[in-house]
Amino acid sequence: KNQVEQSPQSLIILEGKNCTLQCNYTVSPFSNLRWYKQDTGRGPVSLTIMTFSENTKSNGRYTATLDADTKQSSLHITASQLSDSASYICVVSADGNTGGFKTIFGAGTRLFVKA
Amino acid sequence: GAGVSQSPSNKVTEKGKDVELRCDPISGHTALYWYRQRLGQGLEFLIYFQGNSAPDKSGLPSDRFSAERTGESVSTLTIQRTQQEDSAVYLCASSSHLYTEAFFGQGTRLTVV
Repeated sequence: KNQVEQSPQSLIILEGKNCTLQCNYTVSPFSNLRWYKQDTGRGPVSLTIMTFSENTKSNGRYTATLDADTKQSSLHITASQLSDSASYICVVSADGNTGGFKTIFGAGTRLFVKA
Repeated sequence: GAGVSQSPSNKVTEKGKDVELRCDPISGHTALYWYRQRLGQGLEFLIYFQGNSAPDKSGLPSDRFSAERTGESVSTLTIQRTQQEDSAVYLCASSSHLYTEAFFGQGTRLTVV
């Protein structure tokens, strides 16, 4: 069964601290993995996208890692800011050539950054 | 209870026809969101509802797109005079409030031929 599981469900950190969000998936055959940031009442914004051969990708203070062998990804946020308060969604896509294009969404991690 | 349900799961329509996509959110969720995802592309935010109101319609791609929500429950996304560029997966999500976690439906795959 294709699944994407994210942890923790929610997280509270102090401004300036680092944090790491986790994503485990069982989607097969794997095509790519995206991390999205969704501000309240807004559409999600893509942070990173990684294919099978990529282990790490950075976007400013956001760094995503991918271990295709263990089917795990993490999103590390450095020196958090109040504006980082949002939901972070892990999205995994399956190969569209074998039975149709599938996109499986994680439930998201709700991050609260406090001053 | 049940998750977000979207119907139909697949829709093939001829160019120029109108289509209506349905979303049944999780019961009690006040916020509802529509997204579009073209093949190989990221999510594209279309519109959200707080209750039955849509405060921001600027994400709708053109005036051929409209959406409504009734009874703080089911929502429909209508595309008039469909074009091939409208082919995509249309995703719906809901959350208990705007500030809480959103749960996504499995989407409606729309193919315009």
